[in-house]
Amino acid sequence: QQQVKQSPQSLIVQKGGISIINCAYENTAFDYFPWYQQFPGKGPALLIAIRPDVSEKKEGRFTISFNKSAKQFSLHIMDSQPGDSATYFCAASMSGYALNFGKGTSLLVTP
Amino acid sequence: GAVVSQHPSRVICKSGTSVKIECRSLDFQATTMFWYRQFPKQSLMLMATSNEGSKATYEQGVEKDKFLINHASLTLSTLTVTSAHPEDSSFYICSARSRFRANQETQYFGPGTRLLVL
Repeated sequence: QQQVKQSPQSLIVQKGGISIINCAYENTAFDYFPWYQQFPGKGPALLIAIRPDVSEKKEGRFTISFNKSAKQFSLHIMDSQPGDSATYFCAASMSGYALNFGKGTSLLVTP
Repeated sequence: GAVVSQHPSRVICKSGTSVKIECRSLDFQATTMFWYRQFPKQSLMLMATSNEGSKATYEQGVEKDKFLINHASLTLSTLTVTSAHPEDSSFYICSARSRFRANQETQYFGPGTRLLVL
């Protein structure tokens, strides 16, 4: 059973545009929501993470928006660059437990 | 900071042999380590969770006698794939978490190990 649902599966964005990836979860006990970026043949790298006590967190060009009542969170990549082309995974967990990953979104930023 | 290494990065072995993969936290003490496998264009699938000094907890469907996990110290965990078969070919990734760090929930991932069983 997929505990975190991620969409879209793939995304093509022009350079300079905004990339938006959405995730939804069911377990209200989840209290930690990270996003990871993975390049082919590499391990995932933590991009940004949020806890449910805030609705938005921004780090550089990356922003997480969090909607606790809707049980949804999203990643926004502003001014997308070709170097951002990678697979992005959202995840969720309860404190002290393993991460539950979404299925991933393959992002392609065209020049 | 928070670097996790894996060795080897790539391994090719014959069917029936055993392969050991090491996961090390280089600059922090990892109280918990996780092992994942990932098939091409798929998400990470959690195999097991290990806490230093105790037996690993395996996810449903993961054979604990086939995938031996040892977390002998706060900086080292090993995954041994015993009697490997072609269907074990995959990308194996470890991650580490530390209760001693400011953000205790953060998992830091290793670069992964590509296993090919012929």
